[in-house]
Amino acid sequence: GAVVSQHPSRVICKSGTSVKIECRSLDFQATTMFWYRQFPKQSLMLMATSNEGSKATYEQGVEKDKFLINHASLTLSTLTVTSAHPEDSSFYICSAWTAGNTIYFGEGSWLTVV
Amino acid sequence: GNSVTQMEGPVTLSEEAFLTINCTYTATGYPSLFWYVQYPGEGLQLLLKATKADDKGSNKGFEATYRKETTSFHLEKGSVQVSDSAVYFCALSVKGEAGTALIFGKGTTLSVSS
Repeated sequence: GAVVSQHPSRVICKSGTSVKIECRSLDFQATTMFWYRQFPKQSLMLMATSNEGSKATYEQGVEKDKFLINHASLTLSTLTVTSAHPEDSSFYICSAWTAGNTIYFGEGSWLTVV
Repeated sequence: GNSVTQMEGPVTLSEEAFLTINCTYTATGYPSLFWYVQYPGEGLQLLLKATKADDKGSNKGFEATYRKETTSFHLEKGSVQVSDSAVYFCALSVKGEAGTALIFGKGTTLSVSS
């Protein structure tokens, strides 16, 4: 079946550096992907909608200059956390819809900023 | 380990029919339980949640009760509408290295016809 793969599953980076998380649809094309963040002790929150070939749509309160999203192909969206700080440490997960209206989630990525 | 099992769809109902989507879980400790909904082409939205045994979450006519004895969190609605057509995800929260993340079920597609 259709699979969405995220990489890396875990990453530790130093404060002030940038880190990129990839979200790939392995056997289907996804014109739209979604990025979520898990705040501590809270539910998953939608960060942005990634649109292939155009700018991402960010949810209110999400800094677009800090969380750069690029959806350069129909199978790949990337989330880059720029100038990361410890408060950016979180669980990030992506999802994508197939043409048949089925949604698949990536495995998620744990980011720890030290 | 932690896991969520929900009934596979698609579930096809007529408008005003009664809805049940089963969800059972396996978890260490006492997780919080959630139902999320994703409408076609949109991002994930939290539908309802329960944080401890016997709690009942409710929203938009949907209800689910946290049953510790049966490790279940079944979603119900007395009278569905066409606008309820979506994919529904059961999820539980787990604590990880960078915070709390969600373990999702695979999702159940609901299709309601008039």
